[in-house]
Amino acid sequence: DTAVSQTPKYLVTQMGNDKSIKCEQNLGHDTMYWYKQDSKKFLKIMFSYNNKELIINETVPNRFSPKSPDKAHLNLHINSLELGDSAVYFCASSLWEEVSTDTQYFGPGTRLTVL
Amino acid sequence: TQLLEQSPQFLSIQEGENLTVYCNSSSVFSSLQWYRQEPGEGPVLLVTVVTGGEVKKLKRLTFQFGDARKDSSLHITAAQPGDTGLYLCAGPHSGGYNKLIFGAGTRLAVHP
Repeated sequence: DTAVSQTPKYLVTQMGNDKSIKCEQNLGHDTMYWYKQDSKKFLKIMFSYNNKELIINETVPNRFSPKSPDKAHLNLHINSLELGDSAVYFCASSLWEEVSTDTQYFGPGTRLTVL
Repeated sequence: TQLLEQSPQFLSIQEGENLTVYCNSSSVFSSLQWYRQEPGEGPVLLVTVVTGGEVKKLKRLTFQFGDARKDSSLHITAAQPGDTGLYLCAGPHSGGYNKLIFGAGTRLAVHP
């Protein structure tokens, strides 16, 4: 049983294209996240949704737009892709417990390569 | 700005050796977490430490939270090739919303 799943696993595309990454969790969690991990493995939060409401929106270009159709899904749409967008994108989810005990469960990642 | 600095960045050792990796900050954190990430996978939570001075053990892994809650360490005894991976520490941002700040990680390679 996959807890947090992402599709696709790999995405290779040309500069200027628009692409989407999908994420689904079957853990019954209220909160979902998108992270970007760069080539140096640095993991940084991009967005977070709690009960379909956007609660974290970091300094991310507005070419990136998250969408949460329901609590179990959080998709990431990227317009006009640039070379610098190449990275691994991770989806995660959590129960939204008290911060010191909240556990985030990560998906397997989507490796985006922009040519 | 809350930052977590991890050291060393890279560690290459032989099976059976002991090692310690560190996670340091100038800021106080309410808790710190350690994750392990294997190639092609997402990070997986190993432990959360909450109380200053707390020590938690997970088989051959020992985690410690500094008394002042500004640092943490991970000690592995008798490392095995299966311990190979990227070890990340993370702590909640003081601004709330369960926003996690991650360190840059320590890449550990354990050779047979």
